[in-house]
Amino acid sequence: GESVGLHLPTLSVQEGDNSIINCAYSNSASDYFIWYKQESGKGPQFIIDIRSNMDKRQGQRVTVLLNKTVKHLSLQIAATQPGDSAVYFCAESPEYGNKLVFGAGTILRVKS
Amino acid sequence: EAGVAQSPRYKIIEKRQSVAFWCNPISGHATLYWYQQILGQGPKLLIQFQNNGVVDDSQLPKDRFSAERLKGVDSTLKIQPAKLEDSAVYLCASALGVSNQPQHFGDGTRLSIL
Repeated sequence: GESVGLHLPTLSVQEGDNSIINCAYSNSASDYFIWYKQESGKGPQFIIDIRSNMDKRQGQRVTVLLNKTVKHLSLQIAATQPGDSAVYFCAESPEYGNKLVFGAGTILRVKS
Repeated sequence: EAGVAQSPRYKIIEKRQSVAFWCNPISGHATLYWYQQILGQGPKLLIQFQNNGVVDDSQLPKDRFSAERLKGVDSTLKIQPAKLEDSAVYLCASALGVSNQPQHFGDGTRLSIL
């Protein structure tokens, strides 16, 4: 995805609701995808990953869905909590060697 | 396990000066990465090491940036001379292997160029 600079898309949700963060990736040859959470002043924190031979993977309170037909990735967070407020990045690995290409990011704001 | 350690956390220099950043990856991680993250954007890969060899430095501005990973553990990234557009957070990440492995990031060095 292309960067949108300072104007990141923002998703606002009520505490306890489910959140869905979407990401369009660019390279149909990418075979590995990963979601990161980044809080202010910290490095990206690994959330969940998925390989291209899968279309769904679940973790604790999170689910990643992969649709290779339309090159779309989504992160679902169940029962969103205030601690989930952060910027979320998707990343794709377009070639062997584990190089990651990051998307622009989405700000998640959780209202109490 | 201990995470990726980076220092310093913050650095302020004037343009044309030089600066160096240090990274200690997670123990046992063979692959180490340096990324540049400009405010409001996702991290952009600068260089990737596998043990002490360079795997990918295609996006490293080699006229001013250099990096090394002596002995295949710690790494340093240097900028000389710095330009205003180098103001960013410099992130180090490490991974266990070379393919389809989650990268684990440090908290970065925030560099401001005056």
